[in-house]
Amino acid sequence: EIVPTQSPATLSVSPGERATLSCRASQSISSNLAWYQQKPGQAPRLLIYGASTRATGIPARFSGSGSGREFTLTISSLQSEDVAVYYCQQYNNWPLTFGGGTKVEIK
Amino acid sequence: QQQLQESGPGLVKPSETLSLTCTVSGGSISTTHYYWGWIRQPPGKGLEWIGNIYYSGGTYYNPSLRSRVSISVDTSKNQFSLRLNSVTAADTAIYYCARLVSTVTTFDNWGQGTLVTVSS
Repeated sequence: EIVPTQSPATLSVSPGERATLSCRASQSISSNLAWYQQKPGQAPRLLIYGASTRATGIPARFSGSGSGREFTLTISSLQSEDVAVYYCQQYNNWPLTFGGGTKVEIK
Repeated sequence: QQQLQESGPGLVKPSETLSLTCTVSGGSISTTHYYWGWIRQPPGKGLEWIGNIYYSGGTYYNPSLRSRVSISVDTSKNQFSLRLNSVTAADTAIYYCARLVSTVTTFDNWGQGTLVTVSS
């Protein structure tokens, strides 16, 4: 089983500043990684797939990068509505697995 | 835009079977473009993939749950269902049904989720 590990657990960022979230896979997964956003009380929402392709309707301030084992989700200018927990998910191998999440809060 | 909606009991007794149904509206479940899956989230914790099914009945299950889980599909009702046997308190979670894009194996459409509590 491939284990994605996310860091940091919590990230405090000032409005308008950049937020950088990391996801490291226990083995190489090529570009088979997705990112999700989960706001309090809501279901997760797909942000990024293929490590760097934004899903439909996702604002351009969200971007993904990386391949192999190391991946990054960047929010270029944090907005108040971006407060959420962000999860990565690998789909290179079954079983599908999620990282433990990074909570993004406003400083 | 397709919508997914979970339904089923919110309270299940230990050792009994958890049963949930996901109703898909706004499009047919019988499409080659998607799988249909279940994910759960214990209160305050992260996401765990349970399994998914293709409209033709082919399934994938998480090995950690395979001995207790079954997912089925009813194309005539545009529904798919989850059964989890021999539940314990550790199975208490929000259960989500979701659409899984077959080409990139990511969940692009989710139900709102339903909380299932295992307690006597």
